[in-house]
Amino acid sequence: DTEVTQTPKHLVMGMTNKKSLKCEQHMGHRAMYWYKQKAKKPPELMFVYSYEKLSINESVPSRFSPECPNSSLLNLHLHALQPEDSALYLCASTSGNTEAFFGQGTRLTVV
Amino acid sequence: AQKITQTQPGMFVQEKEAVTLDCTYDTSDPSYGLFWYKQPSSGEMIFLIYQGSYDQQNATEGRYSLNFQKARKSANLVISASQLGDSAMYFCPPGNLFFGTGTRLTVIP
Repeated sequence: DTEVTQTPKHLVMGMTNKKSLKCEQHMGHRAMYWYKQKAKKPPELMFVYSYEKLSINESVPSRFSPECPNSSLLNLHLHALQPEDSALYLCASTSGNTEAFFGQGTRLTVV
Repeated sequence: AQKITQTQPGMFVQEKEAVTLDCTYDTSDPSYGLFWYKQPSSGEMIFLIYQGSYDQQNATEGRYSLNFQKARKSANLVISASQLGDSAMYFCPPGNLFFGTGTRLTVIP
């Protein structure tokens, strides 16, 4: 199984809602990543987890809260988002200094 | 800190011709490998080829090859025999961390 599965594929949420994005992989990868990608822009790194510990936080606002409950699962909890947070959220995993396997992304719209 | 420079925002190539996409990088960690990905309009990120920072030989993978010049910190991607399906955005993030602005490649029939 060489897939990274992200759910949901699409999400529309209000600015007062709380929602979560989910990312799952069963390749035994120990590093997992969250990226945010606005339209016609490159992906921006948000968080990196290594061996289930947060190793990189690229000064992401606290309304985004990552969680890595186990080595296969990565969540991104969303609360009090702004319309400018609307974007494609990509999850990826690697086994080290190797190619990243990306999920299909969650297209988030904040209304 | 990392800085990735892709100086060609857009490139056009005739189908079946070869094209070179430029990438220079500046990273404080010399152990980072260099990766190339393509992202079609559908949004998925697809791995193409990898160059280890200590590799002596240029990486090749099917129609993809890298022109790796470590001293110049450049790892240009060469796509041979372009196909219509190669039309996409192309990125070269060192260590899979930070992405440059990318190059949009359009293959013309």
